[in-house]
Amino acid sequence: QSVLTQPPSVSGTPGQRVAISCSGSNSNFGSNTVNWYQQVPGMAPKLLIYRNDERPSGVPDRFSGSKSGTSASLAIGGLQSEDETDYYCASWDDSLNSYVFGTGTKVTVL
Amino acid sequence: QIQLVQSEAELKKPGASVKVSCKASGYAFNSHAVSWVRQAPGQGPEWMGWISGISGNTKYAHKFQGKVALTADASRNTAYLEVKNLRWDDTAVYYCARGKNGYTYPLDYWGQGTLVTVSS
Repeated sequence: QSVLTQPPSVSGTPGQRVAISCSGSNSNFGSNTVNWYQQVPGMAPKLLIYRNDERPSGVPDRFSGSKSGTSASLAIGGLQSEDETDYYCASWDDSLNSYVFGTGTKVTVL
Repeated sequence: QIQLVQSEAELKKPGASVKVSCKASGYAFNSHAVSWVRQAPGQGPEWMGWISGISGNTKYAHKFQGKVALTADASRNTAYLEVKNLRWDDTAVYYCARGKNGYTYPLDYWGQGTLVTVSS
């Protein structure tokens, strides 16, 4: 069971803005940054957001991240059909001395 | 371009060991750490540990200490993951991934994954 909790699923219509929450604790988000990964089934995860709100080159600016206290959020603006896949938050956890991934959220485009 | 290419899928019996390779190209292997992440069927990613490309130092998630061994051959730009005493619940896709900007995380480039199936 992960120490980072995400909703199992989130859905929206094309063009809508959706947000995925990630709940942590002082041992991870309290002193470390959050990263987000997108994973298409059968493929390796892809880094989407790092250091809370930074996008690697090539990631569309409709993906944005934020962190406040022990919670983080990934927002997808202008939802597109290709965004329908799985998303994971991740961070270093000082208590576990490990890099931990969230429970994962499946985004469905209605 | 930066690539991490992993070895092919493996089928192993319970109690055996498996060694997965990860060959890096397109960047200075010595300047980045390589992490290993496993993903069991239908589950999320699980970080196993990392190895420094500079020093060869390793760090393991508590769960995997004694279970896995990370090594690297800088002359071959290749990192290795050995999983020992395989059990059926070690059946998973194992990924290697590079730490961004020389840090151990986040993980910005990933291998294609190696499926390890444990079955008698």
